[in-house]
Amino acid sequence: QKEVEQNSGPLSVPEGAIASLNCTYSDRGSQSFFWYRQYSGKSPELIMSIYSNGDKEDGRFTAQLNKASQYVSLLIRDSQPSDSATYLCAVWGFAGGYNKLIFGAGTRLAVHP
Amino acid sequence: DTGVSQDPRHKITKRGQNVTFRCDPISEHNRLYWYRQTLGQGPEFLTYFQNEAQLEKSRLLSDRFSAERPKGSFSTLEIQRTEQGDSAMYLCASSSQGDSDGYTFGSGTRLTVV
Repeated sequence: QKEVEQNSGPLSVPEGAIASLNCTYSDRGSQSFFWYRQYSGKSPELIMSIYSNGDKEDGRFTAQLNKASQYVSLLIRDSQPSDSATYLCAVWGFAGGYNKLIFGAGTRLAVHP
Repeated sequence: DTGVSQDPRHKITKRGQNVTFRCDPISEHNRLYWYRQTLGQGPEFLTYFQNEAQLEKSRLLSDRFSAERPKGSFSTLEIQRTEQGDSAMYLCASSSQGDSDGYTFGSGTRLTVV
């Protein structure tokens, strides 16, 4: 079992729709969770962090965390073509000895006009 | 401060050659990480420094890879005797000790081994 799992996509949504991206993780002790956006050929850019169960909203983005289910999600409202990118879920984990971010493989999002 | 800087942005090398990449972290960050990312995959952890001490090295890192962070400032990642399988984006990130707000990544170095 991978430590952080995401559907690779592509997830295709029409402009203006809600995009829902999902992530599960294996380490029950994880406390910090992040979503990064990565445009093709660029490095990852942090867009959201969440530490407590429930929802956290920032503009058009909402992160949701359910530690009991080991599940994190990212909702993007009013999706725009500029949101087309790969979204990486990352979990602050202790695998291997020291805390570090462990990434999923990413979900590719395509927003079409 | 302009963030995490990586140099070069792109490197094309012939198989068997040695390459070295440099990372300059955000000045007040004492933690520095190297990751590798191949097409369609998320970043994979390679190694981690706290100040000048290399505290962890991934099993992914063969003996051909070495990293240093002299004086706890910039870091270098060297790959000896490059192989085609080393072709990837090499990402550097930094964070403050105790900072749980995620990393700041540099722009990455794209390595192509021909």
